This record gives sequence, structure tokens and C-alpha cells, in this order.
Amino acid sequence: EAGVTQFPSHSVIEKGQTVTLRCDPISGHDNLYWYRRVMGKEIKFLLHFVKESKQDESGMPNNRFLAERTGGTYSTLKVQPAELEDSGVYFCASSQPGHMIGSQFFGPGTRLTVL
Amino acid sequence: DAKTTQPPSMDCAEGRAANLPCNHSTISGNEYVYWYRQIHSQGPQYIIHGLKNNETNEMASLIITEDRKSSTLILPHATLRDTAVYYCIVRVVGGASGSRLTFGEGTQLTVNP
Repeated sequence: EAGVTQFPSHSVIEKGQTVTLRCDPISGHDNLYWYRRVMGKEIKFLLHFVKESKQDESGMPNNRFLAERTGGTYSTLKVQPAELEDSGVYFCASSQPGHMIGSQFFGPGTRLTVL
Repeated sequence: DAKTTQPPSMDCAEGRAANLPCNHSTISGNEYVYWYRQIHSQGPQYIIHGLKNNETNEMASLIITEDRKSSTLILPHATLRDTAVYYCIVRVVGGASGSRLTFGEGTQLTVNP
């Protein structure tokens, strides 16, 4: 069974540009989460999808970040326009449907560098 | 979610048991204790979780004190591949924020040959 995959693994962009990160969860996992770790800080929750619906987006830092999950399969996280402080590693995780206490399986992350 | 306290770093000899402590003195009755680890440059990896009983799986054992205010993750025979940052997370299950994981700074475990 394939794990959570993320694309790209690395992205280097200039301030003001747009970047779109993609996450493919484990097949059949309705729950999809985005987290990020910015330099020197702890891993922070961004948002949670249940299928295509946003269950909890309280961790999204500002309106420059837009997450979508059309069709309830893969998800994208767009940063527009990117700022220097957006640099960090963005992780995606997924878990089984209706399984609130189950484990979340993480992808390898996308390392974003904003110059 | 309840706050957790872990030592910033620990060392362990290869082949010996690694015992990683975690304090969660403000834990509520409906909060589970989860352990994850992050090996350098990889995504966090689930290890084990429990509510009040001790738990064991193929990776580790979780010992939760009777008052649930602290727990210990035990890696019975640590290998060099177990070198990682280990996170103890206390998580409310259910509700609007019931699914998120709140990561602290964790414990950097270094397994030495």
C-alpha cells in the first residue's frame, strides 16, 4: 500500500510568487491534514479536511494560504503571494474515515524556500 | 489539549532499552496520549497511543501512570535507526479541534554504537 505522497519535495521561489503544494493521501483515507514547521519552530497544525469539506481550518496563518480538496482525493495548498516567513517544511497527513482516535500517517514533506 | 513536558535530549546505547518520559499533569479524562517520532528529514511517524492502560505494539511499549499524569515510551532494544526526535502528544478526541495533533519540542534521542 502506498503511503502519503507529497509533491514537490523541494520548492525555491522568490517573494511575491505563487507556489502550489500537492498531497496525495493513502487511498481510502477521508481525513487529510496539513501541518508545517517553520525555521526553529514546532510543527504546527494548519487545517483538516474530511473528504472535500474543511473540518477545521483554524491553523491557517492568513488569507494568502488556500487549501482545496476537490473530489475528496488529493489536496493542494496554494501560497499566494509567498512571503519570506512562509519558508519551512509543509507536511500532509491522512487517517482512516471516521477514525478519530486513529493514527495519522504523514508524508515526507515539501521543503519551501522563499527568497 | 493538555501541555506536555519532555526532556530536550537523551542518549542510549545500542541494544539497550530507551525509556522516554513525558509529563502531562493537566491531562483530562477524555484525552489520549500519543507518541510520534521524526527521523531527520522525514515526516513524523506514529508509534503508539493509549488512554489509561499500558499498550504494546511491534515498535514500542507505552506505560501510563495510574493517575495518568505521566507516561513513558519504551523502545526495548534501541538501534541506530531509532535516533530521532520523539514527541509526546496529548490529544482530545472529538469536537471541532479533536483531530489535530499539537506538537511540542520533543526529545532528541541519540542511540550510540
